[in-house]
Amino acid sequence: AQSVTQPDIHITVSEGASLELRCNYSYGATPYLFWYVQSPGQGLQLLLKYFSGDTLVQGIKGFEAEFKRSQSSFNLRKPSVHWSDAAEYFCAVGARGGSYIPTFGRGTSLIVHP
Amino acid sequence: ETGVTQSPTHLIKTRGQQVTLRCSSQSGHNTVSWYQQALGQGPQFIFQYYREEENGRGNFPPRFSGLQFPNYSSELNVNALELDDSALYLCASRIGQGEAFFGQGTRLTVV
Repeated sequence: AQSVTQPDIHITVSEGASLELRCNYSYGATPYLFWYVQSPGQGLQLLLKYFSGDTLVQGIKGFEAEFKRSQSSFNLRKPSVHWSDAAEYFCAVGARGGSYIPTFGRGTSLIVHP
Repeated sequence: ETGVTQSPTHLIKTRGQQVTLRCSSQSGHNTVSWYQQALGQGPQFIFQYYREEENGRGNFPPRFSGLQFPNYSSELNVNALELDDSALYLCASRIGQGEAFFGQGTRLTVV
């Protein structure tokens, strides 16, 4: 079975600073990988996903993520954080084939200081 | 706006009661998944329906059950509510292995 680890529960950055949120997964083959964002009281919005091909994936709102098979990682990055990026971020891994059900990490809460 | 709507948005129930949560999928989406998100945690998969048949289930007891209707709307039913069932319940709809669109959730409080 697949699993996801987001080692950072909280991350605090200053507005305009760069951001990297860590995600490590466990899966026997190349999985599907996702990053979602959740604002307070809201559902989840997909930022980006990796299925195959280029390991550097571009998403919405200026986010990108890089799939590194050797490190079983899919870290999310943004070069310059805006105050509106403050939210909860979830990494998820989905198994190829079968019923394709993503497993979520526990999330990283991003706090942005002015 | 994802096109996935859930009702009600908030609900308070007493321990031992039963509850039904509803999800209206985005048009044409034939697969719906339900998740439980406890405070401070990531969403935990409950079950998934594809064309009215359950085709995946997470580690939840049988008192969590569901239905998917011919128009692809869906229900989550929870019997014999426990305090630990208090959570945000999310549904997500998709077509095949396409992007899953999430509703805003139902906040269930069990007292």
